[in-house]
Amino acid sequence: GAVVSQHPSWVICKSGTSVKIECRSLDFQATTMFWYRQFPKQSLMLMATSNEGSKATYEQGVEKDKFLINHASLTLSTLTVTSAHPEDSSFYICSAVGVLNQPQHFGDGTRLSIL
Amino acid sequence: AQKITQTQPGMFVQEKEAVTLDCTYDTSDPSYGLFWYKQPSSGEMIFLIYQGSYDQQNATEGRYSLNFQKARKSANLVISASQLGDSAMYFCAMREGPPKAAGNKLTFGGGTRVLVKP
Repeated sequence: GAVVSQHPSWVICKSGTSVKIECRSLDFQATTMFWYRQFPKQSLMLMATSNEGSKATYEQGVEKDKFLINHASLTLSTLTVTSAHPEDSSFYICSAVGVLNQPQHFGDGTRLSIL
Repeated sequence: AQKITQTQPGMFVQEKEAVTLDCTYDTSDPSYGLFWYKQPSSGEMIFLIYQGSYDQQNATEGRYSLNFQKARKSANLVISASQLGDSAMYFCAMREGPPKAAGNKLTFGGGTRVLVKP
């Protein structure tokens, strides 16, 4: 089945640091990738949708200057949390979809802790 | 308004028994797809089953089946012969638009936590 790799799995860093998370589709070309945020015991909240070669579309209330998304190729999208603060601590998870009616396939997620 | 509603925050099920997880949805789009995902405590999201709005038959995948009642706008997940490894969060999700619109976003329900008892 389709495989999506997300790296790193865990990040612990100091307040003010910028953190980059990578999302790769390993065995298919991902025309669209999605970035989600999930708080403990809650559902997934879509942050943004990115299509290869174009600017990401952010959901209402998500700061695009805070969460930079780059979808440079059909197999890689990155999320950079700039100048991270403790309130940015969360579980971030990406998904990717190829063509037709494929389901979204998810990475394993990244647990981000800002001290 | 909630587009996807999962009314059961949590439930217990005895090992080897079947369990039904409820999901109702709301859309005015005649074309849509319904998905179920499993999220173990480790966090990854595992795709389980898909039902298209125009599919004539209920979807089945191994021990998972989807009870699709279009008029009621419900898409309940049935897990047969529950196993200890089925303990997890389960999310129902909807993607509006035709099947070829795979790039359309998913809307998730609040999830149901299932705990399988030995």
